[in-house]
Amino acid sequence: QVILKESGPGILQPSQTLSLTCSFSGFSLSTAGMGVSWIRQPSGKGLEWLAYIYWDDDKRYNPALKSRLTISKDTSSNQIFLKITSVDTEDTATYYCARNGDGFAYWGQGTLVTVSA
Amino acid sequence: IVLTQSPASLAVSLGQRATISCRASQSVSTSSYSYMHWYQQKPGQPPKLLIKFASNLESGVPARFSGSGSGTDFTLNVHPVEEEDTATYYCQHSWEIPYTFGGGTKLEIK
Repeated sequence: QVILKESGPGILQPSQTLSLTCSFSGFSLSTAGMGVSWIRQPSGKGLEWLAYIYWDDDKRYNPALKSRLTISKDTSSNQIFLKITSVDTEDTATYYCARNGDGFAYWGQGTLVTVSA
Repeated sequence: IVLTQSPASLAVSLGQRATISCRASQSVSTSSYSYMHWYQQKPGQPPKLLIKFASNLESGVPARFSGSGSGTDFTLNVHPVEEEDTATYYCQHSWEIPYTFGGGTKLEIK
């Protein structure tokens, strides 16, 4: 059974760095072909893909935010991390992690991040 | 790649057909595959994959959902619609980076 769960700070101030963790089970990032993406959704709005990382450490970023994003993994602990630097109010959203595959078949429940002074 | 969904919202009578369109700004198809996927999202929940590669029903998804299309034009059909199909539907491509999603179509069941 594939399960993903996001965690984050809940609230942070503008200009700070957002650190998110995706903890997963039911698969391993040491398995060839496995990858995980981060996707976000402001309340009441659409979905935005942010980044992915694969088993072989292949990383790709959304060019619109590339300079602010860093994705990484800890294979032994089944965790994926995303850092977003210099956040502002436009980064307020629910952040999801999802397993890459033929479409995103597995998603976490999301973690709400609010950027507020 | 910009994905334009239409309509933005629609209301369909119970048992009738709902048709949602997704147009891509460039082709997302090869001769073998179309890299277009469809999701359903209900309030407070993550998106749920319905259709992968334009027309392949995801395991466990009811057969009243179907997808078609290739190149730049894709369609999601729901027939016959049920009350539980009230949700927002999104298309998403995986042709290139960045993956993008359509703006969403809100389906209401009358």
